[in-house]
Amino acid sequence: GENVEQHPSTLSVQEGDSAVIKCTYSDSASNYFPWYKQELGKRPQLIIDIRSNVGEKKDQRIAVTLNKTAKHFSLHITETQPEDSAVYFCAATNTGNQFYFGTGTSLTVIP
Amino acid sequence: GAVVSQHPSRVICKSGTSVKIECRSLDFQATTMFWYRQFPKQSLMLMATSNEGSKATYEQGVEKDKFLINHASLTLSTLTVTSAHPEDSSFYICSASLSNTGELFFGEGSRLTVL
Repeated sequence: GENVEQHPSTLSVQEGDSAVIKCTYSDSASNYFPWYKQELGKRPQLIIDIRSNVGEKKDQRIAVTLNKTAKHFSLHITETQPEDSAVYFCAATNTGNQFYFGTGTSLTVIP
Repeated sequence: GAVVSQHPSRVICKSGTSVKIECRSLDFQATTMFWYRQFPKQSLMLMATSNEGSKATYEQGVEKDKFLINHASLTLSTLTVTSAHPEDSSFYICSASLSNTGELFFGEGSRLTVL
């Protein structure tokens, strides 16, 4: 089955700086890679995703890159704000099948 | 995005009793729903995949007789924790994916406390 690894487990950045979270996956059949943001006690919220036919996707301050050859994808948050503080999860799936989640990254943005 | 609703959000029960959690897809039909368990500061652990009209598929180590899953319609899946014990206390989250895009959306989660 698929194995998704996520790093770092914790990340602290100063407000305004950038944050990068990296994930690797093992199954070359995976073709959909979403990122979720989870605030304490709340549900994970989809913030951005990328499919295997695309190398990069950007939505305002958030971007995701995918390297299919190396089997890794990354989340980039620029101009971080305190409200970006949360736990972020990456996931990988072969569309229609189950999702495999990373272990999560606790991001703290220091004002 | 699509809406998945989960109920109840919090439940406290006595040891030995059973608790039912409902997961509904409000604006789309979901032939497949997923049930996760999440411990504090940990990732989402897949418990089972709920399939409409057929038996759920359980992950290794998850007792199917203890965590009963029913997916009787295209918009509703239920998880029943039977004979609950304090170690079953956890945050349970359901999810459903859109068949056309594959995007996965989560319910609000249910925090179960077994006394």
